Amino acid sequence: NAGVIQTPRHKVTGKGQEATLWCEPISGHSAVFWYRQTIVQGLEFLTYFRNQAPIDDSGMPKERFSAQMPNQSHSTLKIQSTQPQDSAVYLCASSFSSYEQYFGPGTRLTVL
Amino acid sequence: GDSVTQTEGPVTLSEGTSLTVNCSYETKQYPTLFWYVQYPGEGPQLLFKVPKANEKGSSRGFEATYNKEATSFHLQKASVQESDSAVYYCALSSNTDKVVFGTGTRLQVSP
Repeated sequence: NAGVIQTPRHKVTGKGQEATLWCEPISGHSAVFWYRQTIVQGLEFLTYFRNQAPIDDSGMPKERFSAQMPNQSHSTLKIQSTQPQDSAVYLCASSFSSYEQYFGPGTRLTVL
Repeated sequence: GDSVTQTEGPVTLSEGTSLTVNCSYETKQYPTLFWYVQYPGEGPQLLFKVPKANEKGSSRGFEATYNKEATSFHLQKASVQESDSAVYYCALSSNTDKVVFGTGTRLQVSP
């Protein structure tokens, strides 16, 4: 069991560029979650999918952020026109049941 | 909605001393309670969970009792080690997939 895989581990973009972050959940897990982590805000929920369907995106910024899960083996978080305030660690987690979430190592996004 | 409030950090201790991280929660549902730990460069990982009121969870010398009457789930360890230095998150889930996390408590243990 490789755990949740996130790529890339580090990404540096220029202001205004697009960033796409990838997550491969644990095989057999039916729910995938995205979080953003910063020193100031801590761990913020963004969105989640169950059985590939979007269930709750209440934490997603209304503009520039989107998430997809085209198949059961990966999900993407896309940030258009990145801004310096988007700099954070983006964490993906997956779960099967009993609400326990398994986190990936995160992608550190730096927007210059 | 559901919420979790925990001790603000950082908490700085010497090896061998005891730890308590306070956690209180609010929910209208019947929750499952968790403590997660996050080491530098890694994502949070489950320390333990307790789905039933008035039961205790434990792992690696850490323990917490789900106190339904006090709506609390304080994390304790009798004797911390330098390797326990990490960020600790109290969390709850109440009949949904979502887990609500506290703000995290950074623990620094000095040798």
